[in-house]
Amino acid sequence: DAGITQSPRYKITETGRQVTLMCHQTWSHSYMFWYRQDLGHGLRLIYYSAAADITDKGEVPDGYVVSRSKTENFPLTLESATRSQTSVYFCASSRSLRGELFFGEGSRLTVL
Amino acid sequence: QKEVEQNSGPLSVPEGAIASLNCTYSDRGSQSFFWYRQYSGKSPELIMSIYSNGDKEDGRFTAQLNKASQYVSLLIRDSQPSDSATYLCAVNIEGGGTSYGKLTFGQGTILTVHP
Repeated sequence: DAGITQSPRYKITETGRQVTLMCHQTWSHSYMFWYRQDLGHGLRLIYYSAAADITDKGEVPDGYVVSRSKTENFPLTLESATRSQTSVYFCASSRSLRGELFFGEGSRLTVL
Repeated sequence: QKEVEQNSGPLSVPEGAIASLNCTYSDRGSQSFFWYRQYSGKSPELIMSIYSNGDKEDGRFTAQLNKASQYVSLLIRDSQPSDSATYLCAVNIEGGGTSYGKLTFGQGTILTVHP
């Protein structure tokens, strides 16, 4: 099916473990983004990418790593998970610079 | 000072009324403005975009932009219970160039439409 999909949808992990959240889009959008959403903070940009092999930091990048070897995939890795990274993570894509984003369903991560 | 501010609400309106949602932003260089709707437990969904001063209408929704006053609003006419959701205002603070279309979001206004 066309669209943007995230996996896993739900994940429980322990402090210190590495976790990778996957994001795949079938629209061939150039731009992809990772946001986290927390009560009291709204949506905050973690990392974004303008094209394959082009990534840059957003507002809250510490503790996260991204890669984009293919246009359609944009995985987000938590190298050593902390409790403060418990959140809902949204991947999004866009075809233009204007910022009309299309969001995935979200990945709810709990770090114990 | 937050870059994009919204009243968190909740805003409660009766069915059939007009719901008015407001948003202010701090960067005068902002060029693109968006309203997203987010149902509880779901992802944000784009419902309106506006780029120039004035009104833009789409069905029951009207977005209004006033760059001089740095505010953008969303009016929902004939509000329905299905409009009950959180409405997120988003602004492209760094328009064009190498900004990659990054958006800054407000914290959202919770709207409840009661029958």
